[in-house]
Amino acid sequence: DAGVIQSPRHEVTEMGQEVTLRCKPISGHNSLFWYRQTMMRGLELLIYFNNNVPIDDSGMPEDRFSAKMPNASFSTLKIQPSEPRDSAVYFCASSPGGGRAGYTFGSGTRLTVV
Amino acid sequence: AQRVTQPEKLLSVFKGAPVELKCNYSYSGSPELFWYVQYSRQRLQLLLRHISRESIKGFTADLNKGETSFHLKKPFAQEEDSAMYYCALGTNFGNEKLTFGTGTRLTIIP
Repeated sequence: DAGVIQSPRHEVTEMGQEVTLRCKPISGHNSLFWYRQTMMRGLELLIYFNNNVPIDDSGMPEDRFSAKMPNASFSTLKIQPSEPRDSAVYFCASSPGGGRAGYTFGSGTRLTVV
Repeated sequence: AQRVTQPEKLLSVFKGAPVELKCNYSYSGSPELFWYVQYSRQRLQLLLRHISRESIKGFTADLNKGETSFHLKKPFAQEEDSAMYYCALGTNFGNEKLTFGTGTRLTIIP
């Protein structure tokens, strides 16, 4: 298995533009998580899905952020419009389920909004 | 509500010296504890979990329910241990979320 795959690895965009981050979880994992990592706040959970259904989106900062999981092998995190304060590394992780299992993280997308 | 506390944001240790990264948790149920490591600009990787009682790269961690702690230890630090370390807490029923601590940046001084 290639692990959790995220794209793009790096994204530089101008303020006001739409940004879409993509994630392919490990096959057979039924939980998917989106995290944001910054120097100031560390690792923040934005949203997680179980069996493609959003379970907890309380970490999504505001309406500019949205996430979808149309099927078991693909998820997107969209920011529209983007702002400089959205600059961060965004990680996707997947889990086979249950708090005992732990997560497998993707390599992350480093987003810079100028 | 679950909470994970890593009291040290930064920790510097000389090569060959013992390392201890502190982690305390708050949870009323039966916890599942993990340590993740993130080397410079890389993904977070699972280092170890308490349930498997394993030793990875010389690191060990023992769950102390009385002190609600899960400290990470290594008897002799190596330069390649320099990284960011996150402690995480999971629950065993229903909720899939892991609650992460704020992390400790470990620097090994040659």
